[in-house]
Amino acid sequence: AQSVTQPDIHITVSEGASLELRCNYSYGATPYLFWYVQSPGQGLQLLLKYFSGDTLVQGIKGFEAEFKRSQSSFNLRKPSVHWSDAAEYFCAVGPEINQAGTALIFGKGTTLSVSS
Amino acid sequence: EADIYQTPRYLVIGTGKKITLECSQTMGHDKMYWYQQDPGMELHLIHYSYGVNSTEKGDLSSESTVSRIRTEHFPLTLESARPSHTSQYLCASRQEIHGTQYFGPGTRLLVL
Repeated sequence: AQSVTQPDIHITVSEGASLELRCNYSYGATPYLFWYVQSPGQGLQLLLKYFSGDTLVQGIKGFEAEFKRSQSSFNLRKPSVHWSDAAEYFCAVGPEINQAGTALIFGKGTTLSVSS
Repeated sequence: EADIYQTPRYLVIGTGKKITLECSQTMGHDKMYWYQQDPGMELHLIHYSYGVNSTEKGDLSSESTVSRIRTEHFPLTLESARPSHTSQYLCASRQEIHGTQYFGPGTRLLVL
């Protein structure tokens, strides 16, 4: 079955330190991969996405993610975290577009706290 | 930024009332979705639509209903609200190319 696992429920990082949020997926074919961020009481905002090509993708707000097929992973990274990055982060995997109506499959999310 | 809107943003209502949560998108996407999310928790898909006149139930059973009369509009209705319906409801639409989903800001519902 298709699934997305985010092993870390909650991570605390010091402001200015580097960040890596883990995401592993189980999927039969090459997936489309996404990272979203959600601030409290808000909807989800797309950070970045991977469809094909270069396995290191750049997103908004200084985030990047690397697709590693051999590890079925799509980890999110940021070299220097800012206090405003505190939020909930969701990894998602997408099926082929011709599977009409199929929504993205989301992980359970990782809560990021930033300490001063 | 995606053009997807939800109203109201916040709603406090008494038990037994009928409510409709509005969702509109101006991107011309055929596929639209409703998710239910409790605070700090995962997203649960409750409804989706392939296009006009198409509606399907999602992974999580819900007492709500949806309709899709126009491409841009995907409202969700609760005929009789109960405290167990208290949650955040997120609407999304999906791009045809590559399947990126765009989310609205959400409606936070409190049923007393």
